[in-house]
Amino acid sequence: GDSVTQMEGPVTLSEEAFLTINCTYTATGYPSLFWYVQYPGEGLQLLLKATKADDKGSNKGFEATYRKETTSFHLEKGSVQVSDSAVYFCALSVPPGGKLIFGQGTELSVKP
Amino acid sequence: DTEVTQTPKHLVMGMTNKKSLKCEQHMGHRAMYWYKQKAKKPPELMFVYSYEKLSINESVPSRFSPECPNSSLLNLHLHALQPEDSALYLCASSQAGQGLNYGYTFGSGTRLTVV
Repeated sequence: GDSVTQMEGPVTLSEEAFLTINCTYTATGYPSLFWYVQYPGEGLQLLLKATKADDKGSNKGFEATYRKETTSFHLEKGSVQVSDSAVYFCALSVPPGGKLIFGQGTELSVKP
Repeated sequence: DTEVTQTPKHLVMGMTNKKSLKCEQHMGHRAMYWYKQKAKKPPELMFVYSYEKLSINESVPSRFSPECPNSSLLNLHLHALQPEDSALYLCASSQAGQGLNYGYTFGSGTRLTVV
């Protein structure tokens, strides 16, 4: 079945460090890929998305590239801030009408 | 309006109570969802409504009863819950069909505590 695997957390970084959160997927069809972010005490926000191979999603300094050959969608940011501390979820959906399938989430803590 | 609004934000209820969670969106989305999320875990899908009709029930106990009165509103009726049902309940919406490719919009959730 379809699934998403994320690197385990928590990840602790110093402010201005480079961030990578790994995400790989297994899908029977041709999925759309997403990163969601959940700040403490809040719901999920769509951070970025990619709907086809080699697409790059970007938002708020975060980027992820849809790599079909490696079935990956790693999240990167060049310089993290304390305000980026949150839980990050990688997710996929397989059209048409596919459910949103989440990875286990990676908690990021950025220290000043 | 690009938001999904959930009320109440917090709810404490006894095991014999009846309560309802409400969700509203005005983005014209025709698919709406209820998720349950335990601390530091991914959301778990409970129900999906597509064009106001229940299309997916993920084997959720009958003490949870969803309702979609119209294309903008989604309710979750709660009755005789157990303490293990305490969680964050998230509502989401999306374009239906091929629009699922564009992701879901989530509300901020209702934090439910069953005592």
